[in-house]
This record gives sequence, structure tokens and C-alpha cells, in this order.
Amino acid sequence: SQTIHQWPATLVQPVGSPLSLECTVEGTSNPNLYWYRQAAGRGLQLLFYSVGIGQISSEVPQNLSASRSQDRQFILSSKKLLLSDSGFYLCAWRLAGADKNIQYFGAGTRLSVL
Amino acid sequence: DAKTTQPTSMDCAEGRAANLPCNHSTISGNEYVYWYRQIHSQGPQYIIHGLKNNETNEMASLIITEDRKSSTLILPHATLRDTAVYYCIVRVSGGGADGLTFGKGTHLIIQP
Repeated sequence: SQTIHQWPATLVQPVGSPLSLECTVEGTSNPNLYWYRQAAGRGLQLLFYSVGIGQISSEVPQNLSASRSQDRQFILSSKKLLLSDSGFYLCAWRLAGADKNIQYFGAGTRLSVL
Repeated sequence: DAKTTQPTSMDCAEGRAANLPCNHSTISGNEYVYWYRQIHSQGPQYIIHGLKNNETNEMASLIITEDRKSSTLILPHATLRDTAVYYCIVRVSGGGADGLTFGKGTHLIIQP
């Protein structure tokens, strides 16, 4: 069966520090991968998605970037964190080319930028 | 994707059926209705989806009106663990690889 792992679960970082969040999927090949963010008291916002290695689509301009150098690993990064980057970050995957729009989410990383 | 409208919050007694409505009056003929839920501090979880026929799985039932302009998610015997935010999403099945658009959803509170 397929599983998705995100780490760390919680993270406290000072303003201006770098960020690297990792997401790994097991049990499937060439999945579509996604990064979402949920700010406090707000809905989920799609940040990036990827249909394959090296293929990243950005949904909103921001202080973050994403990379995919391996088939089942998706990295979310920042060179210098801002206070507004605080939030709950969720990684998700979906079967590529699947008829159903079913996405499977990780447990999330709660990031606090102080 | 068609826009959806859901009540902000609902209460339901434990053991009773929870009926969560969703309006999607601008839905297109090739768009499906998907339901997800998010328990506090967890990632969203897929529940069920349907096109025009009623659907049932181990988690819930989905009732879609004949004109497809609204639907109801039914949790037949709600438990305290069903307390969560429930999202109704309208989406073309298959379609592109881009992500899902989550609205504000309905905060369902199961009362003991």
C-alpha cells in the first residue's frame, strides 16, 4: 500500500533563516505531488505541484520554492523565512493520469516563524 | 471548477446521522462532487465522490439531487471522531494535474 511521509512534524524558525521541508511517497511510481499551506484560521492554499522529476508548477508568487529531483520526493524550501510563512504545510500525492481526483495527504508540518 | 456553498458549522448528536449539505448550482455535466474532511491538525482525508448517482462506501453516503445542483453527505452514525471540517469540492474527473480548491467547508461538531 502507498504511504506518504512528511517531516518534521513541527518546526520553529527565526525570521531570515532557511527552510527545507521534505515529503516522500512510498508504494507508487511517478505520482503527482503537491504542497499546500494552511494559515491559521484559513483554508488550504495550493502552493506547488509536480507531474514529474524537475517539473514544478507554482500557483502563487511567494517566498518559497519547490524541487523534485527524485520520483517520489518533493522538497519545499525558502532561503529566508518571513513571519508570513508561518502555517501548516501539507504534502499530498495523486496517481498520475488517474480518472479520479483523489489526493492523499501527509500529516503536515506546523511551521512557526518568530 | 464550479463554486460550492456550505454552511459554516453544524452540530449533531453522537449516534445520529449527520447530514451535510452542499450547493453547487453552476456544476457542469462532466464535473464530479468530491468530499474530503480535515480533523484538527491533520491532513485532509478523502471520503467519497459521485457524478449523478447516489454513492455509498464504508465511511459515508453521498446523495446528489436529480438536477445535480446540490448534494448531501451523510454520516449514518456519527461518532465523536467525526468532528472535523468537511469540504465539498466540484471537479472534472481526471482533468489536469493541478491541485484541489478547498473552500472554507463546514465545521461539524459531534456532541456527546
